[in-house]
Amino acid sequence: GDSVTQMEGPVTLSEEAFLTINCTYTATGYPSLFWYVQYPGEGLQLLLKATKADDKGSNKGFEATYRKETTSFHLEKGSVQVSDSAVYFCALSTGNQFYFGTGTSLTVIP
Amino acid sequence: EAQVTQNPRYLITVTGKKLTVTCSQNMNHEYMSWYRQDPGLGLRQIYYSMNVEVTDKGDVPEGYKVSRKEKRNFPLILESPSPNQTSLYFCASSPAELAGYNEQFFGPGTRLTVL
Repeated sequence: GDSVTQMEGPVTLSEEAFLTINCTYTATGYPSLFWYVQYPGEGLQLLLKATKADDKGSNKGFEATYRKETTSFHLEKGSVQVSDSAVYFCALSTGNQFYFGTGTSLTVIP
Repeated sequence: EAQVTQNPRYLITVTGKKLTVTCSQNMNHEYMSWYRQDPGLGLRQIYYSMNVEVTDKGDVPEGYKVSRKEKRNFPLILESPSPNQTSLYFCASSPAELAGYNEQFFGPGTRLTVL
């Protein structure tokens, strides 16, 4: 069945460091791919998405490229800030069902 | 303010006592969904609804029921809760019947403990 495998955390980085969170997927058909972010005590918010191969999603300095050949959608940011501390979820959908990864907790220290 | 609301936010109950968690959205969205979040398992979809009177099972529907009688409301019903349903529950909505291409808007969550 469809699934998402996400890099395990927790991840701790210093401010201004480079961030990569790996995400790979298994899906029948052509899924849409998403990154959601969850701040402490809140629900999830969409960070970025890509709906077809080679699309790049970007938002707030974060980027991810839909790579069909490697079935990946890795999240990157060139310079993290303390305010980026949160849990990040990779997700896919092939219609009306959604599959989420286990989440990666990121802590950015000053 | 556009939002998804859930009630209650926190609930402690006992095994077998029926409960309902309400979810309401004010954005006129067609699609609504319920998820549970557990440590090490991420979010798993319980049920979803593409429109009024149209519901379907997600990945983990056992032990849950839903109904969609009005567009704005999508309650989650646990008819006989068990301790393995202790979890953090999220409701979400999306502005299209085919939600797979669109952003989902999440509620603040309901933390349920079943003793």
